[in-house]
Amino acid sequence: AQTVTQSQPEMSVQEAETVTLSCTYDTSENNYYLFWYKQPPSRQMILVIRQEAYKQQNATENRFSVNFQKAAKSFSLKISDSQLGDTAMYFCAFMKHRDSGGYNKLIFGAGTRLAVHP
Amino acid sequence: DVKVTQSSRYLVKRTGEKVFLECVQDMDHENMFWYRQDPGLGLRLIYFSYDVKMKEKGDIPEGYSVSREKKERFSLILESASTNQTSMYLCASSSGQKGNTEAFFGQGTRLTVV
Repeated sequence: AQTVTQSQPEMSVQEAETVTLSCTYDTSENNYYLFWYKQPPSRQMILVIRQEAYKQQNATENRFSVNFQKAAKSFSLKISDSQLGDTAMYFCAFMKHRDSGGYNKLIFGAGTRLAVHP
Repeated sequence: DVKVTQSSRYLVKRTGEKVFLECVQDMDHENMFWYRQDPGLGLRLIYFSYDVKMKEKGDIPEGYSVSREKKERFSLILESASTNQTSMYLCASSSGQKGNTEAFFGQGTRLTVV
């Protein structure tokens, strides 16, 4: 069975600074997807970034980037130039590849609550 | 824009009541999911469905059932609500097409069982 661990329940950062959220996972699969989802106070869960395990290049989306270390089963999220609107719960999630019979099920970590301060 | 709509944002029910949580998506997605969100536990999968009338148990199905009579609608049923089912419930849908992995979520229903 797959598991996802987020070891930082809460973090805080000053506006305009950089913060890194940690995530580790456990799987015997070779091909899979990893995600970071954001849940702001409005409760609307939004996809931040996605990484495909067979791609060595780390994914980036504007101020958001990941450090994907497949051998270490680590998938951290870096937020650059933090903004007040980045304040949210951040969830790391794992999905088996479709060819593995994963049926698009997401397995989530416990989440990290990020507070961005002015 | 994809929209996943949950029928209630807040709900208060009494112990022993039968509770229906409704979810509707407007993007013709094959997959639909019900998750439960609790502090320190993240999101845990209750039930999911890949097609009409299809359902599969997730990690914590006890005390719940589901219904998917139409492709766009996926209902979560608490047969006899108990206080330990007080939680946030999130519905999600996804395409199921190869390579299209993004899940879209509703805004959640915060259920309190008293």
